[in-house]
Amino acid sequence: GENVEQHPSTLSVQEGDSAVIKCTYSDSASNYFPWYKQELGKRPQLIIDIRSNVGEKKDQRIAVTLNKTAKHFSLHITETQPEDSAVYFCAASTGGFKTIFGAGTRLFVKA
Amino acid sequence: SQTIHQWPATLVQPVGSPLSLECTVEGTSNPNLYWYRQAAGRGLQLLFYSVGIGQISSEVPQNLSASRPQDRQFILSSKKLLLSDSGFYLCACPGGGATGELFFGEGSRLTVL
Repeated sequence: GENVEQHPSTLSVQEGDSAVIKCTYSDSASNYFPWYKQELGKRPQLIIDIRSNVGEKKDQRIAVTLNKTAKHFSLHITETQPEDSAVYFCAASTGGFKTIFGAGTRLFVKA
Repeated sequence: SQTIHQWPATLVQPVGSPLSLECTVEGTSNPNLYWYRQAAGRGLQLLFYSVGIGQISSEVPQNLSASRPQDRQFILSSKKLLLSDSGFYLCACPGGGATGELFFGEGSRLTVL
């Protein structure tokens, strides 16, 4: 079945450094790749997404890249701040009914 | 924009007891609805999705069931809870755009003892 793998499971960085989270997906029909941020005890919320016809997208300190050939996509956070500390989920969707999530990355930003 | 109400927010239940979690959606009509479960420190596992009243698709075999008695109501149930049913249950619907974004409710935290 469809599968999304996410690495690393835990990531600790110093404030101001960059953080990179990587995901791979199995379903070549996937065409939509959202990233969600979940703060402790709260619901996941969309922070950025990318469609399969785009290789890169940036929104302030956050960027996503997509390599459809390799079925890889990544989240890049620059100039990390303590408030970036959270669990981040990648996901893949074929635009149909199902969105499949990665296992999540717990990001710690040390002040 | 849509709003998702989930209740109860927190629940502690003994093993073998029944379960009913409710989700209602406002601000959208005939939405696809989803139940996800997040076990402690784990990812989001899709349990059920529904494309309309009375239409339920199950993603994983388990002792849970779902029902959609009304267009904007989605219910997750169990007749007898297991310890492994503990987790954070999230109801979701499409975000309203054409992108495929999911919008989640606040979640229901279930602890089975």
